[in-house]
Amino acid sequence: QQQVKQSPQSLIVQKGGISIINCAYENTAFDYFPWYQQFPGKGPALLIAIRPDVSEKKEGRFTISFNKSAKQFSLHIMDSQPGDSATYFCAARSGNQFYFGTGTSLTVIP
Amino acid sequence: DAGVTQSPTHLIKTRGQQVTLRCSPKSGHDTVSWYQQALGQGPQFIFQYYEEEERQRGNFPDRFSGHQFPNYSSELNVNALLLGDSALYLCASSQTDNEQFFGPGTRLTVL
Repeated sequence: QQQVKQSPQSLIVQKGGISIINCAYENTAFDYFPWYQQFPGKGPALLIAIRPDVSEKKEGRFTISFNKSAKQFSLHIMDSQPGDSATYFCAARSGNQFYFGTGTSLTVIP
Repeated sequence: DAGVTQSPTHLIKTRGQQVTLRCSPKSGHDTVSWYQQALGQGPQFIFQYYEEEERQRGNFPDRFSGHQFPNYSSELNVNALLLGDSALYLCASSQTDNEQFFGPGTRLTVL
């Protein structure tokens, strides 16, 4: 059973546009929600993370929106650039274990 | 700082064989977690080591075992390899309970 459900599976955005990736969960024991960016042949790299007592966190062009009551959180990439083309994973932590979504392949067209 | 390093980069084994993968954590990190990432999927948690003990384990069979050494480096051992064990194996290290830093992974192919 997938603990964290991620959508869409793939996303194509024009340069300068907004990329939005969504994740949903059921386990209320999750207490930390990171987003990772992964390029081909590389390990995932932490992009931005949020705790459930905060509704939004912004770092540069990247924003996490968190809706605790709906058990949903999303990543917004503003002014998307071709260099942002990668696979993005949401994750959630319970105890010492992280559960990852299935990933979103983002392609930013110049 | 070299970050998290893993060896080997690639490995080819046949069914039934055993494999050992190695990980050196980022400097100052004392916790190591191992993940299996199948093609087109997200990483799946195998287990986490802290103070040379397995602290938490995901839903993986006993064929998967590990070890952490006093210098915090770690090994992942997989016995009786199956075709389905073919994947990218990722090591992640951390110091706090939050931020994990991933290595580049070891690509294991089982024939």
